[in-house]
Amino acid sequence: DTGVSQNPRHKITKRGQNVTFRCDPISEHNRLYWYRQTLGQGPEFLTYFQNEAQLEKSRLLSDRFSAERPKGSFSTLEIQRTEQGDSAMYLCASSLGPGVLFFGSGTQLSVL
Amino acid sequence: DAKTTQPPSMDCAEGRAANLPCNHSTISGNEYVYWYRQIHSQGPQYIIHGLKNNETNEMASLIITEDRKSSTLILPHATLRDTAVYYCIVRVANFGNEKLTFGTGTRLTIIP
Repeated sequence: DTGVSQNPRHKITKRGQNVTFRCDPISEHNRLYWYRQTLGQGPEFLTYFQNEAQLEKSRLLSDRFSAERPKGSFSTLEIQRTEQGDSAMYLCASSLGPGVLFFGSGTQLSVL
Repeated sequence: DAKTTQPPSMDCAEGRAANLPCNHSTISGNEYVYWYRQIHSQGPQYIIHGLKNNETNEMASLIITEDRKSSTLILPHATLRDTAVYYCIVRVANFGNEKLTFGTGTRLTIIP
């Protein structure tokens, strides 16, 4: 399968712990996106990379959130000192151009 | 990006055409209409997009009114696997403006 891969699929953590998610985009795609989705809502944009450069960040991405894309390949999203409000589905997507994004199946985070 | 309005839910009988409407009365001349869908527990999936001409691909048809203030996504022969939330998104398709803004979409239920 050459789609977007996200790991883990599910993560349960205690409040205050740090978590890290990984996204492997489609190999030839130079654009990578992170979104967050809570129950009953559409996905919300968090951040965007073109190759290894992080070009846009949403105000939703607080100081506790950090995303990287070393060497322009896979990406990681880290949440420090997790809070219950961070519980959500975290989605990664990649693309070659604007508008047509290919999404992974997401990482479901539950903060207890 | 222009705001879109979609009905919160719709039902369609299996084998019939599903017609999903979207209003985007404030659309600008350089904004495209994109459709995505999200099946339960999966990431959104790109379906189709268009500017002003009707478009068709293997998944669906997109009909955009002449004044471009509304559009309809047509699934010609709906199957149970088409049960999903369908998102209509309007955005400028240019590099440097990468963010997709999802609303709450239309929850389409295909009835056997």
